[in-house]
Amino acid sequence: KQEVTQIPAALSVPEGENLVLNCSFTDSAIYNLQWFRQDPGKGLTSLLLIQSSQREQTSGRLNASLDKSSGRSTLYIAASQPGDSATYLCAVSYNFNKFYFGSGTKLNVKP
Amino acid sequence: GAGVSQSPSNKVTEKGKDVELRCDPISGHTALYWYRQRLGQGLEFLIYFQGNSAPDKSGLPSDRFSAERTGESVSTLTIQRTQQEDSAVYLCASSFIWSTEYEQYFGPGTRLTVT
Repeated sequence: KQEVTQIPAALSVPEGENLVLNCSFTDSAIYNLQWFRQDPGKGLTSLLLIQSSQREQTSGRLNASLDKSSGRSTLYIAASQPGDSATYLCAVSYNFNKFYFGSGTKLNVKP
Repeated sequence: GAGVSQSPSNKVTEKGKDVELRCDPISGHTALYWYRQRLGQGLEFLIYFQGNSAPDKSGLPSDRFSAERTGESVSTLTIQRTQQEDSAVYLCASSFIWSTEYEQYFGPGTRLTVT
């Protein structure tokens, strides 16, 4: 059974801090991995998608890395802002049929 | 262009009633997914459509749940004889399957409350 684990479950940091969110998965034969943010009462917004052949993707202040062999991905957020406060979810796919989600990291960035 | 839309945004129903949830994917997206998210939990995969076919129904929690898709577009998720444990947010996503990335785009969800 594929499992996706996210650590920590919750994180509170002061504005301006750099931070790292972690995602681990049990089966390393992934097709791709996608990071999302979810704001309260809303759907998911895609942040970054990493193909299995890639090691990292960057978008603005966000950088996601992938280490398939160790079954890990990290989402790095630079110079955090209060607007970054949300729940961050990672999802792993082994084909296009199904995505396995972690339970998320709830981030609070304090002004 | 328009994103994924879902209706209704909120639904309150009595235990034992049937409900129908609707998803309109992004135009041209061949794949469509339904997920359930219980309060404080991650997303639970329910079903996937490729075109109008559902090759993977393994996530449907019971035979009270069914889904269909028509015209390679709109999909409906039907829950019969609703139970309180069905209360959750139901999220729909679509993707362009012929893209090498299979990136998913999500709708805002339908919050279902069974009283």
